[in-house]
Amino acid sequence: AQSVTQPDIHITVSEGASLELRCNYSYGATPYLFWYVQSPGQGLQLLLKYFSGDTLVQGIKGFEAEFKRSQSSFNLRKPSVHWSDAAEYFCAVGARSSNTGKLIFGQGTTLQVKP
Amino acid sequence: EAQVTQNPRYLITVTGKKLTVTCSQNMNHEYMSWYRQDPGLGLRQIYYSMNVEVTDKGDVPEGYKVSRKEKRNFPLILESPSPNQTSLYFCASRLAGANYGYTFGSGTRLTVV
Repeated sequence: AQSVTQPDIHITVSEGASLELRCNYSYGATPYLFWYVQSPGQGLQLLLKYFSGDTLVQGIKGFEAEFKRSQSSFNLRKPSVHWSDAAEYFCAVGARSSNTGKLIFGQGTTLQVKP
Repeated sequence: EAQVTQNPRYLITVTGKKLTVTCSQNMNHEYMSWYRQDPGLGLRQIYYSMNVEVTDKGDVPEGYKVSRKEKRNFPLILESPSPNQTSLYFCASRLAGANYGYTFGSGTRLTVV
């Protein structure tokens, strides 16, 4: 079955520290991969996406993610976290050929930033 | 400003009273979807639409209806709401290609008592 797993439900890091949020997926073929961020009371904002080519992709707000096919992972990273990065982060996968337009989301990781 | 607009943002209603959550996008997107977000379950697709007059069920369609009479609008209808439909709802839209990311609305928090 297709699924997305974000192993860490809650992560706390100090401001200025590095961050890595994990995402593993189970899919029949290489899907499209996305990371979204949801600030409190807000909708989801697209941080970055992977379709093909370079497995290290850059996104907005200084985030990057690396696709590792052998590990079925798409981990999100940021070298230095800012207090404004506190939010919930969702990894999602979508089929390359699908009429449904459906994204399968992970359960989300809540990031808390300590001053 | 390119956006997906949902209304209302918050809604408290009683069991069985029909309601509609509106969704409108100004980006000329072909695809539109409704998701519900529940703690511990992430987001699950309710219905989707590939274009005007083309809609189909997602993973959790029971108790919901949609329509797509115009490209910009994709309302979500709950004919007889029940407490298990208490949730946070998101409308999203994107261009036709699967490599495009969705633009999400700000959400509608629905409570059914």
